Amino acid sequence: QQPVQSPQAVILREGEDAVINCSSSKALYSVHWYRQKHGEAPVFLMILLKGGEQKGHDKISASFNEKKQQSSLYLTASQLSYSGTYFCGTAGSGNTGKLIFGQGTTLQVKP
Amino acid sequence: DTAVSQTPKYLVTQMGNDKSIKCEQNLGHDTMYWYKQDSKKFLKIMFSYNNKELIINETVPNRFSPKSPDKAHLNLHINSLELGDSAVYFCASSQALGETQYFGPGTRLLVL
Repeated sequence: QQPVQSPQAVILREGEDAVINCSSSKALYSVHWYRQKHGEAPVFLMILLKGGEQKGHDKISASFNEKKQQSSLYLTASQLSYSGTYFCGTAGSGNTGKLIFGQGTTLQVKP
Repeated sequence: DTAVSQTPKYLVTQMGNDKSIKCEQNLGHDTMYWYKQDSKKFLKIMFSYNNKELIINETVPNRFSPKSPDKAHLNLHINSLELGDSAVYFCASSQALGETQYFGPGTRLLVL
């Protein structure tokens, strides 16, 4: 079952904050966040494992609420380079490495 | 220097032809994957191999056949290409099952 991301698209001014949500109907073991720029490959941002942890680097952080089967990606003080499509990939138990990706959230940061 | 590489980068071919896409990783990873991304950007797993053993085989037409000659390579052969096969195909690798996946640059396949 594909996770659902919201919003589908967001437009920001430089310096503004954004939150992207990822919600699954199935129990999750881990959530992986990627950013993809047009014509390029998805680039790994962070991985969150079961345990409700929160991670971050620079001004991008994420949380994982396993009870609610949700993860959120927080972009603080957005920069032009943050523009792209953000995907969450979810993995259930079983450790097959199988990631099911959401439909993506397109983020555009304007000067 | 390249971590995960794919060839070719672009592939334009006629319906009914057979084509192959090659993938190589120099990260020393044990696990490799093939994904298909359609025109709506939907990214879907097709296959994965761990230490040359097939682990994931999603509901993919049997015209698609992966081959892993060694841990560093995972190739994708497609027989009797159809219009609906047009997409971007990404190879990825991870140290082990369940760990961070690193994507190659993609192969843009257009079937005419």
